[in-house]
Amino acid sequence: EPEVTQTPSHQVTQMGQEVILRCVPISNHLYFYWYRQILGQKVEFLVSFYNNEISEKSEIFDDQFSVERPDGSNFTLKIRSTKLEDSAMYFCASTTELLAKNIQYFGAGTRLSVL
Amino acid sequence: KQEVTQIPAALSVPEGENLVLNCSFTDSAIYNLQWFRQDPGKGLTSLLLIQSSQREQTSGRLNASLDKSSGRSTLYIAASQPGDSATYLCAGRTGANSKLTFGKGITLSVRP
Repeated sequence: EPEVTQTPSHQVTQMGQEVILRCVPISNHLYFYWYRQILGQKVEFLVSFYNNEISEKSEIFDDQFSVERPDGSNFTLKIRSTKLEDSAMYFCASTTELLAKNIQYFGAGTRLSVL
Repeated sequence: KQEVTQIPAALSVPEGENLVLNCSFTDSAIYNLQWFRQDPGKGLTSLLLIQSSQREQTSGRLNASLDKSSGRSTLYIAASQPGDSATYLCAGRTGANSKLTFGKGITLSVRP
C-alpha cells in the first residue's frame, strides 16, 4: 500500500539553527499538510498546501516556518531559527482530491529535538 | 472553531471485552471524521473515515458511528485483544480537504 515517507526520523539541532523536514507524499495526492504533536499534547495543524501554494495556516505557522514543494515528489517544512518550544513530533499528511476517498494519510513523523 | 474532546483519557479493559470510545465535537457542520490509531512514539494510522452523510462505517472488528446533531462519534471495538492497546484519536474536518482538528486521544490498554 502506498505510504507517506518522512525523513529523518529523528533530528537533533541547536537552538537558533535552521532545520528542514522532508516528506514524500503519496504519488497521486494533491493536498499536503504538516501537523505537529508536542509530547503529551494534541496533534495540531500547521499548514496545508495545494496547487503550489499555502491554502490554510494556523497561528503557530509564523514567519519562522515555510513550506515548499521543490519538485514533483518532495514536500518540505523549514524552520528558520529553531526555538526550544519547537521540539515536537512533526507529521506530514496527504490526501487525494477524490472526495469519497479523502482520507488523510500520515507519515511516521520526524521527532525534532531542539537543545 | 471546531473543538474535539475525547473522554476518558485512558481506559483499561480485559481481553475479549467489547468497548466503545467516545469523541465529541462542537461544530455540527462537520464534513467528515477520521479515527486513528497511534502506537507509542509512532505515526498515525487511519482506521476509519466516516462522512457526514453516513451514520456508520465498519472495518473488521471496528465500527464507527457519527451523530452530527448531538456532536458525537463513537468507535466500537469488538472482542478486544492485547494488540489493540494503543492511543485512539478522532479528528474532524469542516471542509472537503480542510485541516483535521484532533482530540487528545484515549489510551487503551487491553489486559491479557
